[in-house]
Amino acid sequence: DAKTTQPPSMDCAEGRAANLPCNHSTISGNEYVYWYRQIHSQGPQYIIHGLKNNETNEMASLIITEDRKSSTLILPHATLRDTAVYYCIVSVAGNQGGKLIFGQGTELSVKP
Amino acid sequence: SAVISQKPSRDICQRGTSLTIQCQVDSQVTMMFWYRQQPGQSLTLIATANQGSEATYESGFVIDKFPISRPNLTFSTLTVSNMSPEDSSIYLCSAGTDYEQYFGPGTRLTVT
Repeated sequence: DAKTTQPPSMDCAEGRAANLPCNHSTISGNEYVYWYRQIHSQGPQYIIHGLKNNETNEMASLIITEDRKSSTLILPHATLRDTAVYYCIVSVAGNQGGKLIFGQGTELSVKP
Repeated sequence: SAVISQKPSRDICQRGTSLTIQCQVDSQVTMMFWYRQQPGQSLTLIATANQGSEATYESGFVIDKFPISRPNLTFSTLTVSNMSPEDSSIYLCSAGTDYEQYFGPGTRLTVT
């Protein structure tokens, strides 16, 4: 599986957009970009995934560069409850044998 | 989405004993996985639980130490055998279909 690189920590002011970057320069053509987050003492939570097009759901937006070597997760209006560790993972789809290999992630602190 | 429950939520065990952790999903899923999360660390994939056949283990994990069963599409067990203090961790079950994985709350294991 391709590896990802994320900054270890970031701060964001409450109400502002949080932009979390991820580098995945060795991603393969059939690998998706997945984002999960883990709030303290809870199991990880799925956020969003994409292949090459930008994606948006009720939680976040995912922007993938045209060459697919990097992506950005955007939380449009961060709240204190968004404080968590955010993981960017690249993998093939589950029906192709994909599995999630977690790196160290980015610890996002949303401050009042 | 799928809701994952785990039993027990926590346990304190003596070294040399074994503990079996149960994972129940509220809907049929194609994939089930087991992870370990040591204190202050990211998640490490232990194995893929395959229905009706032997689990597929990641490097560094062996069946004798972590036997896994998956008798049907909604249930799996992980046994931590012959425990030592180094096995003290949170053990998480996840389940999903093609793209999204959902995680249980975890089982916090302390070995004394």
